[in-house]
Amino acid sequence: DADVTQTPRNRITKTGKRIMLECSQTKGHDRMYWYRQDPGLGLRLIYYSFDVKDINKGEISDGYSVSRQAQAKFSLSLESAIPNQTALYFCATSVLSGSSDTQYFGPGTRLTVL
Amino acid sequence: SQQGEEDPQALSIQEGENATMNCSYKTSINNLQWYRQNSGRGLVHLILIRSNEREKHSGRLRVTLDTSKKSSSLLITASRAADTASYFCASRSMNRDDKIIFGKGTRLHILP
Repeated sequence: DADVTQTPRNRITKTGKRIMLECSQTKGHDRMYWYRQDPGLGLRLIYYSFDVKDINKGEISDGYSVSRQAQAKFSLSLESAIPNQTALYFCATSVLSGSSDTQYFGPGTRLTVL
Repeated sequence: SQQGEEDPQALSIQEGENATMNCSYKTSINNLQWYRQNSGRGLVHLILIRSNEREKHSGRLRVTLDTSKKSSSLLITASRAADTASYFCASRSMNRDDKIIFGKGTRLHILP
């Protein structure tokens, strides 16, 4: 089984709808991240969390919110989706210990907002 | 703005040749990492180089870091068709509680 899972994998929705993307991990990592990827723009950080009580805004948090329900779960919400939020969304986890600083990515959620 | 910027944006080479990709960053870093992404999939960590290291090897990968120029390069030797992917650098600032910043990536295409 994959260590970092995302649901749904694909979603098509309409402008104005509320959408939730979910991420779960079995790696036991404290740190979790949400990124969006747009063609030619690389990955941009939306929100990140270093533990259950810690939530931080990234570069492009406007229009998004997150919830860290447990160490293993980090969900991303679009309260009122708009077409320019059409993108590929990735969840990632990491642990900061000693020489390790690797981010582990989920498979991605392709979101289309019509 | 993005901390890391890769160069070139796209690269096509013949199988068996070496591929070199470059990355520049703007502020002092704790480490710099390279990731690979197959089309539409999640990124996979390749290699990490610390700010006090100048060169690191892992199999056919060689990474260099020049902190005076704020740049890094990734060399893939003896390229294979399976190396076709996008490659991203990601820099971690000196504050290890800070986030990692990803560049825009280099799309590498290996021609048979």
